[in-house]
Amino acid sequence: AQTVTQSQPEMSVQEAETVTLSCTYDTSESDYYLFWYKQPPSRQMILVIRQEAYKQQNATENRFSVNFQKAAKSFSLKISDSQLGDAAMYFCAYRSVAGGGADGLTFGKGTHLIIQP
Amino acid sequence: DVKVTQSSRYLVKRTGEKVFLECVQDMDHENMFWYRQDPGLGLRLIYFSYDVKMKEKGDIPEGYSVSREKKERFSLILESASTNQTSMYLCASAINYGYTFGSGTRLTVV
Repeated sequence: AQTVTQSQPEMSVQEAETVTLSCTYDTSESDYYLFWYKQPPSRQMILVIRQEAYKQQNATENRFSVNFQKAAKSFSLKISDSQLGDAAMYFCAYRSVAGGGADGLTFGKGTHLIIQP
Repeated sequence: DVKVTQSSRYLVKRTGEKVFLECVQDMDHENMFWYRQDPGLGLRLIYFSYDVKMKEKGDIPEGYSVSREKKERFSLILESASTNQTSMYLCASAINYGYTFGSGTRLTVV
């Protein structure tokens, strides 16, 4: 079974600065997907970024980028130019390719990100 | 936009009651999921379904059952609610690697 570990229960950053959220995972599979989701107080889970394991290039979405280290099984999220609207819970998640993902996502415990004005 | 609708945002039930949490998706997604979210524990998979009338146990199925009679609807059932089932429940549907989540039902069992 796969496991996802987020070692930072809470992080705080000044507005406009850069913050990195950590995620490590454990798997014996070679092909999989990794995700970062954002959950603001509205409770709606919002996809931030997705990475396919077979792609060496790190995914980027505007101010959000990842550092994907497959050998180290590490998948950190960097948020540049932090904004007040980035304040939320952030979840790292894993999905197998095998089985078409019918068995869902495996989530980490989450990191609560606080943005200081 | 794909929408996943959970029928209740907040729910308060008494211990021992049978509780139904409903989830409806408006796209033709085959895969549907029920997660439980607790502070410090993240999201944990209760049950999932990959087709009508098909269901599989997730990581924490004890005390729960599910029903999927139609493709668009996936119901979570608490046969006899207990206080340790007080939690946030999130439904999701998916096709390939695209997941869409509902807004959650915060269930309190008193």
